[in-house]
Amino acid sequence: NAGVTQTPKFRILKIGQSMTLQCTQDMNHNYMYWYRQDPGMGLKLIYYSVGAGITDKGEVPNGYNVSRSTTEDFPLRLELAAPSQTSVYFCASNLVDSNQPQHFGDGTRLSIL
Amino acid sequence: SQKIEQNSEALNIQEGKTATLTCNYTNYSPAYLQWYRQDPGRGPVFLLLIRENEKEKRKERLKVTFDTTLKQSLFHITASQPADSATYLCALFAGGTSYGKLTFGQGTILTVHP
Repeated sequence: NAGVTQTPKFRILKIGQSMTLQCTQDMNHNYMYWYRQDPGMGLKLIYYSVGAGITDKGEVPNGYNVSRSTTEDFPLRLELAAPSQTSVYFCASNLVDSNQPQHFGDGTRLSIL
Repeated sequence: SQKIEQNSEALNIQEGKTATLTCNYTNYSPAYLQWYRQDPGRGPVFLLLIRENEKEKRKERLKVTFDTTLKQSLFHITASQPADSATYLCALFAGGTSYGKLTFGQGTILTVHP
């Protein structure tokens, strides 16, 4: 049981490039989330999904897109990378009962130069 | 606007002492509050959940209190050990149609010195 798996662990992008951050969970969780974490700023919600085919914006969605074609996968897409998107990105998931804690992956550290 | 603040960025204590971390919130009526631990280079890991109608929750050396009048949660680690050194995050769930979404504080870095 791997939990939440994120790839890649590290990536350096040039301004204007695009990339997809991958997230997979094997716990059959309905809810999935993408956060970014900047130093001293805590976790900010980018997008979330309550099930396959259903996604919605979080607090800081600009510059990002998501899709949820399966229960397991929730990729995050950066279309035109900007320096402000330099951050650590975390994917999380939990069960449909909102009392359940979120399970996090170990993050993708992304630098835009 | 809604705001969550953890009382300090960093807390340094001696081994064996009790560490107390604070989480304050404004313009919020959370249904419950969670505490997470985060080690460098890793994702947060869930520790404890406390509901709005609960005053206190315990798990081994950990204790969480929740005061909805003061709009504050305290997180205690008793008999602290160097292995407890990490960043601790509080997170609030508003309930209703929030779809499981949590709002996180900025975290407190705890260092336990031998």
